Amino acid sequence: DGGITQSPKYLFRKEGQNVTLSCEQNLNHDAMYWYRQDPGQGLRLIYYSQIVNDFQKGDIAEGYSVSREKKESFPLTVTSAQKNPTAFYLCASSGQGGNNEQFFGPGTRLTVL
Amino acid sequence: AQKVTQAQTEISVVEKEDVTLDCVYETRDTTYYLFWYKQPPSGELVFLIRRNSFDEQNEISGRYSWNFQKSTSSFNFTITASQVVDSAVYFCALSEAMGIRTSYDKVIFGPGTSLSVIP
Repeated sequence: DGGITQSPKYLFRKEGQNVTLSCEQNLNHDAMYWYRQDPGQGLRLIYYSQIVNDFQKGDIAEGYSVSREKKESFPLTVTSAQKNPTAFYLCASSGQGGNNEQFFGPGTRLTVL
Repeated sequence: AQKVTQAQTEISVVEKEDVTLDCVYETRDTTYYLFWYKQPPSGELVFLIRRNSFDEQNEISGRYSWNFQKSTSSFNFTITASQVVDSAVYFCALSEAMGIRTSYDKVIFGPGTSLSVIP
């Protein structure tokens, strides 16, 4: 079945460590996105990519980095520079064009100890 | 500027009651798209419906219905005869892009409305 997978579902890290969240899609979508969701909050865009080897900063990119070497994959690295990384992270993908809905993965809950 | 407002932060209803979730948007563009997504407790957002700015027909899908009114910039969502499985956070979203993006036209999500259906 087509869809988006994120791993791991739960992630714990110590302060000062970098951690990478995985996102893979088999929907043949060009566009992929990373969002952050804090408790009781909406979605905030971290990074997005419209095509392989290209990505752009969203609203809250500081302390995060991404890569888009393959169409199917858009991993997110949470660096030690991110001051408050504990949150729920959602990856999404869509076809090109604003008329396309986004398909979301199950999310990764990151907790910094 | 684009903006999506969902004034209802939390709503609680008793099972079988009808409930309407409000969504008000702001945009300067004449061509835009509106979406509703559902986020159940598991966390994964699920797409429910898309509407383009030229189609003001209301839509019904089972117990779900949507009322789009450009005159009031609203795209409200009604659940009829609510069930416990409807308990979730519901997000309204706006996109101003159409066709192939030459630059990213951001999708703006509202803050969400948390719906609790009590048995």
